[in-house]
Amino acid sequence: SQKIEQNSEALNIQEGKTATLTCNYTNYSPAYLQWYRQDPGRGPVFLLLIRENEKEKRKERLKVTFDTTLKQSLFHITASQPADSATYLCALGGGGSSASKIIFGSGTRLSIRP
Amino acid sequence: EAQVTQNPRYLITVTGKKLTVTCSQNMNHEYMSWYRQDPGLGLRQIYYSMNVEVTDKGDVPEGYKVSRKEKRNFPLILESPSPNQTSLYFCASRTPERLNEQFFGPGTRLTVL
Repeated sequence: SQKIEQNSEALNIQEGKTATLTCNYTNYSPAYLQWYRQDPGRGPVFLLLIRENEKEKRKERLKVTFDTTLKQSLFHITASQPADSATYLCALGGGGSSASKIIFGSGTRLSIRP
Repeated sequence: EAQVTQNPRYLITVTGKKLTVTCSQNMNHEYMSWYRQDPGLGLRQIYYSMNVEVTDKGDVPEGYKVSRKEKRNFPLILESPSPNQTSLYFCASRTPERLNEQFFGPGTRLTVL
């Protein structure tokens, strides 16, 4: 069955460093991959989308890579700040038997300490 | 302001008492979905709808019903709630033109006693 794994349940890093989160998947060939941010008690907020034919996407301090051979995406936050502390979810879509289906990983809780 | 709204935000109920969680979006999106979020399991799709009167099961549809009579509304119905439906529920909407970027509602925390 389709499976998404995000590298760790929690990640703790020092302010100013680059945070790197990993999303691996199996038994799936997505057309695109998304990253969302979720704060406690709130709904996820869309951050970035990268398509299967793209290697890298950037948006301000965020960078996403997508390797369909390794079946992996890396999500980087450079010059991290305490305000970046949140749970980050990856999601895959556009593949499998349903082109409209999006499946989510369970998330990585990122904490940036001052 | 573009948004997805859900009501109620919090609900405590008892086993077997039918309830409805409403969801409404003002972005004219075709697609709408319901998810539940449980610790360690992430977001799991319950039902989705690709347009008015078009709905389909997600990964965990048992014990739930939905309807899509109008484009903006997508209510989630629990005919006979059970304690294993205690969860955090999110409604989301999206449009293919925006590469399936989803907009999520604020969530409904449901407790079934």
